[in-house]
Amino acid sequence: GAVVSQHPSWVICKSGTSVKIECRSLDFQATTMFWYRQFPKQSLMLMATSNEGSKATYEQGVEKDKFLINHASLTLSTLTVTSAHPEDSSFYICSAREENRGGEAFFGQGTRLTVV
Amino acid sequence: QKEVEQDPGPLSVPEGAIVSLNCTYSNSAFQYFMWYRQYSRKGPELLMYTYSSGNKEDGRFTAQVDKSSKYISLFIRDSQPSDSATYLCAHQGGSQGNLIFGKGTKLSVKP
Repeated sequence: GAVVSQHPSWVICKSGTSVKIECRSLDFQATTMFWYRQFPKQSLMLMATSNEGSKATYEQGVEKDKFLINHASLTLSTLTVTSAHPEDSSFYICSAREENRGGEAFFGQGTRLTVV
Repeated sequence: QKEVEQDPGPLSVPEGAIVSLNCTYSNSAFQYFMWYRQYSRKGPELLMYTYSSGNKEDGRFTAQVDKSSKYISLFIRDSQPSDSATYLCAHQGGSQGNLIFGKGTKLSVKP
């Protein structure tokens, strides 16, 4: 299967600082990338959908000014958590999809964010 | 009503047992259903997907969809300790292909 690389795997940051998470599709061009968030013992919840070269579409209740998403190329999307707070501590997972691969979505390894 | 309901478990079975994992869904328009396996602190990996009703088998894993009762199942035969993980059912949701997940069932296979 295709490979999606997410970096960093885990990060600890101070409250009020910003954190950038990268998601790369290594062997295919991701026309669409998704960002999910998973709290302990909860399911993955979609935060936003991004298409290369256009603005991300955010799910209801997700602050677009707090979670900045950039999908500047077909192989890279970034999620920046701005002015992070302890309640933003969660497991963030990206997923990339390519139409030519039957639309299957491949997941990154996830990023464990802890805000102290 | 949530779109996909899944019993979070945990479920503990002895090695070699047959495992049955289940989900129910609410929208009869759903066509594609997936099962993902997620190890602790890792991203989910696709195990199987099915389209519409019926069974699909892959090695020790069988996925089953019953559209009349809106019920999807994953069966694991001859379960192994390495099968210990959280199993998430999902269906394809929005027009851009995002997935809607159940809560996941945590499975533990004891040697």
